[in-house]
Amino acid sequence: SQQGEEDPQALSIQEGENATMNCSYKTSINNLQWYRQNSGRGLVHLILIRSNEREKHSGRLRVTLDTSKKSSSLLITASRAADTASYFCAPFSGGGADGLTFGKGTHLIIQP
Amino acid sequence: GAGVSQSPSNKVTEKGKDVELRCDPISGHTALYWYRQSLGQGLEFLIYFQGNSAPDKSGLPSDRFSAERTGGSVSTLTIQRTQQEDSAVYLCASSLRNGRTSGTSSYNEQFFGPGTRLTVL
Repeated sequence: SQQGEEDPQALSIQEGENATMNCSYKTSINNLQWYRQNSGRGLVHLILIRSNEREKHSGRLRVTLDTSKKSSSLLITASRAADTASYFCAPFSGGGADGLTFGKGTHLIIQP
Repeated sequence: GAGVSQSPSNKVTEKGKDVELRCDPISGHTALYWYRQSLGQGLEFLIYFQGNSAPDKSGLPSDRFSAERTGGSVSTLTIQRTQQEDSAVYLCASSLRNGRTSGTSSYNEQFFGPGTRLTVL
């Protein structure tokens, strides 16, 4: 498995604003997943986008994938205080190791 | 239970002692994963089980680390002769099946437990 790199490392916005974080990876993937980790609920799967998909929505989340640039972005619209957490991307190649490898994540803080 | 459970939630041990961490996956999940998250770092993959076998041990950092899974359910991660650099949160995850994909099959999401915080003094 390969490690995704999230950018920025930290992001602070006002409640109600949109938050965008990016993920870059190095080799071709089968799919890419985004996870969220906060102190209250541990690590939680948010959304999976397959390599043949370009965009996917889930509630206030929108994920895009550009395989030519080997990058993905996660957009959270109308942010809420409860969105404060660290967000990780996990690119999955489908061969070799089966575990996911996460980077250091983007730490998102939503200011009230 | 409904989710992945891990025990203990916290473990403090002295350098050189052995520790055993336990993971109870979601019932029916055949795939089980162990990860480690050190302070300020991302998650590091350690080992993966499909049923009782571990086809991928590539992430184990040293031979002091071992893991087993019995009955296709509970797994234990054992760290022998612990060192201070072993201090971390150890996370377990399970999924319905392994990550291999074929055709239109998709990789199933992993459900994570709350972790065991290990502190080696």
